Amino acid sequence: EAGVAQSPRYKIIEKRQSVAFWCNPISGHATLYWYQQILGQGPKLLIQFQNNGVVDDSQLPKDRFSAERLKGVDSTLKIQPAKLEDSAVYLCASSLGQGSNSPLHFGNGTRLTVT
Amino acid sequence: KNQVEQSPQSLIILEGKNCTLQCNYTVSPFSNLRWYKQDTGRGPVSLTIMTFSENTKSNGRYTATLDADTKQSSLHITASQLSDSASYICVVSAAGGSYIPTFGRGTSLIVHP
Repeated sequence: EAGVAQSPRYKIIEKRQSVAFWCNPISGHATLYWYQQILGQGPKLLIQFQNNGVVDDSQLPKDRFSAERLKGVDSTLKIQPAKLEDSAVYLCASSLGQGSNSPLHFGNGTRLTVT
Repeated sequence: KNQVEQSPQSLIILEGKNCTLQCNYTVSPFSNLRWYKQDTGRGPVSLTIMTFSENTKSNGRYTATLDADTKQSSLHITASQLSDSASYICVVSAAGGSYIPTFGRGTSLIVHP
């Protein structure tokens, strides 16, 4: 089966600019996650979708980050305006269901550098 | 607060040697524990899943153990290979409610020839 697709792979922007990331989950996976992974740390959940509804966005900095999953398939994560501390890898993951026995399947991430 | 602590933070071993990575958690009520391997520049990939009733599970040269009483897990790598160089992340899930797994910071393993 095709894996989770993310684009772009790399992005370099200046602070205060805007950026958007795209994710296409595995076909049939209802649950989609966006994680932020700072170098040397484990992934930190930003937002979880179940189909096109938000399950948890408690750690999403809503003053600058936004995410949507229209039609319950693809998803986009946007940062506007970016700050230096947003430099990280943004990972998208999907799972078949919301149950804890469903493994997360990760994409290869988008590495964002904010200068 | 649900937490997952991993040790060591980093580890360097010679090819062919064995190593053991540790994971302590405070997630409650416990549902399962997964070990993920994350190669440089790639997303994490699930290696094993441990549920409450399981003590040991193997996946090739990887063997995970779980002690639900002490809330500890270990990942043992036998006869290490250069391709084992990666970050190993322990992820613990709670039972019930909305499923939000708790991630550890990972152990960075470097295998030298």
